Amino acid sequence: SQQGEEDPQALSIQEGENATMNCSYKTSINNLQWYRQNSGRGLVHLILIRSNEREKHSGRLRVTLDTSKKSSSLLITASRAADTASYFCATDAQGAQKLVFGQGTRLTINP
Amino acid sequence: NAGVMQNPRHLVRRRGQEARLRCSPMKGHSHVYWYRQLPEEGLKFMVYLQKENIIDESGMPKERFSAEFPKEGPSILRIQQVVRGDSAAYFCASSPLEGGTPNNEQFFGPGTRLTVL
Repeated sequence: SQQGEEDPQALSIQEGENATMNCSYKTSINNLQWYRQNSGRGLVHLILIRSNEREKHSGRLRVTLDTSKKSSSLLITASRAADTASYFCATDAQGAQKLVFGQGTRLTINP
Repeated sequence: NAGVMQNPRHLVRRRGQEARLRCSPMKGHSHVYWYRQLPEEGLKFMVYLQKENIIDESGMPKERFSAEFPKEGPSILRIQQVVRGDSAAYFCASSPLEGGTPNNEQFFGPGTRLTVL
C-alpha cells in the first residue's frame, strides 16, 4: 500500500477561507514534501520539511510534521481561486532515494 | 537554467507499438527518476538512474519496460508492445546529488501523457 495517504480526498471551500490537508505515512522518513499539480500539468514543489523539524512556513503555506504520529498537515491561508489544484505529499523512506506519493487531495476554491 | 524537459508531451500509440519517452534533466543534475501517474491517482515510482547506471528499478514492471540514462543525451523510458493499461502520465524528475540536494528535493518535468488506443 502507499506510504502516504492524504485526507480529505477532496475539499471545496470559498475563496478567502483557509484550507487544511493532512498526510499520513507508515515508515521512518528523512523528509516530507508537498507538491501541487494543476489539472493535466506537472508537479510544482511547494515545501519540504525535514524529519527533525516540526513546522515550516512559506508565504501563505504552513506545514507541520509530527513524526510520533507519522503525519503532516498543509495549511493554505487566505485561499485564492488559483490555489485550485491537487496537492500531494511525498516521503523519502530512510535509505531510499525514491519519493513515495499519496493519492492527493483535490482542492477547489470557489470564487 | 531550464527545468526538466520531457518530450513528447503527448504520445498516442496503438496496442502492440513501442513508446519511447525522453527526459532531459536540469543542467548539472546527474540523477533521474521516472514516475507513472494513473488518472485520479498519485505518482508511483518506477526507476532511479544515474549516468549509465540503473540504481533502483523496484517499481518497474518486469516485462516490456526498460530505462536508460546514457553518458550523453537524455534518459529514455521505453515501453514495448504497449497495452491499454499503459495509458498514463509519465513524469521524470532530476536531482543533483545522491538522494537529491542535501534535502532530497526532486525537480519534476511536465510529463508525457501516453494514450494507447
